[in-house]
Amino acid sequence: SQQGEEDPQALSIQEGENATMNCSYKTSINNLQWYRQNSGRGLVHLILIRSNEREKHSGRLRVTLDTSKKSSSLLITASRAADTASYFCATDFNQAGTALIFGKGTTLSVSS
Amino acid sequence: EAEVAQSPRYKITEKSQAVAFWCDPISGHATLYWYRQILGQGPELLVQFQDESVVDDSQLPKDRFSAERLKGVDSTLKIQPAELGDSAMYLCASSLRDRGFTDTQYFGPGTRLTVL
Repeated sequence: SQQGEEDPQALSIQEGENATMNCSYKTSINNLQWYRQNSGRGLVHLILIRSNEREKHSGRLRVTLDTSKKSSSLLITASRAADTASYFCATDFNQAGTALIFGKGTTLSVSS
Repeated sequence: EAEVAQSPRYKITEKSQAVAFWCDPISGHATLYWYRQILGQGPELLVQFQDESVVDDSQLPKDRFSAERLKGVDSTLKIQPAELGDSAMYLCASSLRDRGFTDTQYFGPGTRLTVL
């Protein structure tokens, strides 16, 4: 079963525009992470935000977390063609281990 | 920068054959995960190791899948016999140590399995 659900499923923008992706989850979490996956490749960790944090920045990335609404957003500012990829949010796995539960992802296409 | 290594990158096999995937985590990472990713979906956990011990294999189809990490370093995931529905990307990830909460995980490039 999947904990996180990203929205939208697909997003197409022009270079220089901002891209916003949203993630909703179902149960309490310790932290939420965002990963990027280029076509047919492994996942790259982007940012981790803890449950007691509300906003976090890393370069052109801004992540917010609203635990009352069980939602998070990822903002990529000034998008580049190289940002074209799938973006996944991932949350804790509330069972035996510490594996991540991923959503289905948002596919971002940035055209030049 | 240290990376998680996986091999092979691509594997094509026929139904009912045996396949094996190998993963070498980042040096010093005690926790190792195997995930399976079906096209268009997010990765889903198959098995988690802490050193050489299995922490969670509740979602591993044990009738055909097996995983080991004998010396607590590299790991092998095996499928025998392979079925058509096993076609997917198999991802290995590692993190420093299970401290009771989820931490940053570093992923390898994956093995793309196609079962004919």
